[in-house]
Amino acid sequence: NAGVTQTPKFQVLKTGQSMTLQCAQDMNHEYMSWYRQDPGMGLRLIHYSVGAGITDQGEVPNGYNVSRSTTEDFPLRLLSAAPSQTSVYFCASSSRGDEKLFFGSGTQLSVL
Amino acid sequence: AQSVAQPEDQVNVAEGNPLTVKCTYSVSGNPYLFWYVQYPNRGLQFLLKYITGDNLVKGSYGFEAEFNKSQTSFHLKKPSALVSDSALYFCAVRDPTSGTYKYIFGTGTRLKVLA
Repeated sequence: NAGVTQTPKFQVLKTGQSMTLQCAQDMNHEYMSWYRQDPGMGLRLIHYSVGAGITDQGEVPNGYNVSRSTTEDFPLRLLSAAPSQTSVYFCASSSRGDEKLFFGSGTQLSVL
Repeated sequence: AQSVAQPEDQVNVAEGNPLTVKCTYSVSGNPYLFWYVQYPNRGLQFLLKYITGDNLVKGSYGFEAEFNKSQTSFHLKKPSALVSDSALYFCAVRDPTSGTYKYIFGTGTRLKVLA
């Protein structure tokens, strides 16, 4: 089982560039979410989705966009990257009712 | 708003001794509570959860946690620590009555088990 797959694993951007972090899961999970992990801040929720076509904001949504056109995929878009978005990003998914999150291996993003 | 606090940045314990990693929470209703572990350069892995029922919850790798509603706490425990337990531990909460589906994590506690 692949589980939750994130690509790329590493990325370096210049300020103002755009990019999309990819997240895919093969467990038919309804729930998917994006977190960023920063030293001393723990994990902070960016956006989440409870099913295809449904998304909502988390704790720190500014500067990020998401969409959910299929059950499997939940991409995270940075429209104009800023140094403050340097972080490690994790995607997680869950079957509703199970309440157990499965995490990807993360994307380390540096914005110069 | 729901929140969770992990008051200790780091916990050191000798191998073979019992360990406790502390977590307190704040939600308006009855919480769903979780513990996750993160090993270096890895994603988070689920350890255990409290949804309802028995206040003592048993999870993976010999870990357990006790839900205490009066103290709004959900401390993680293990009777005998192993060096391999050294990792970063996160407590998380979800308020099922909030109308949202947000899992909110604490800042993490680094556990160091000394041989």
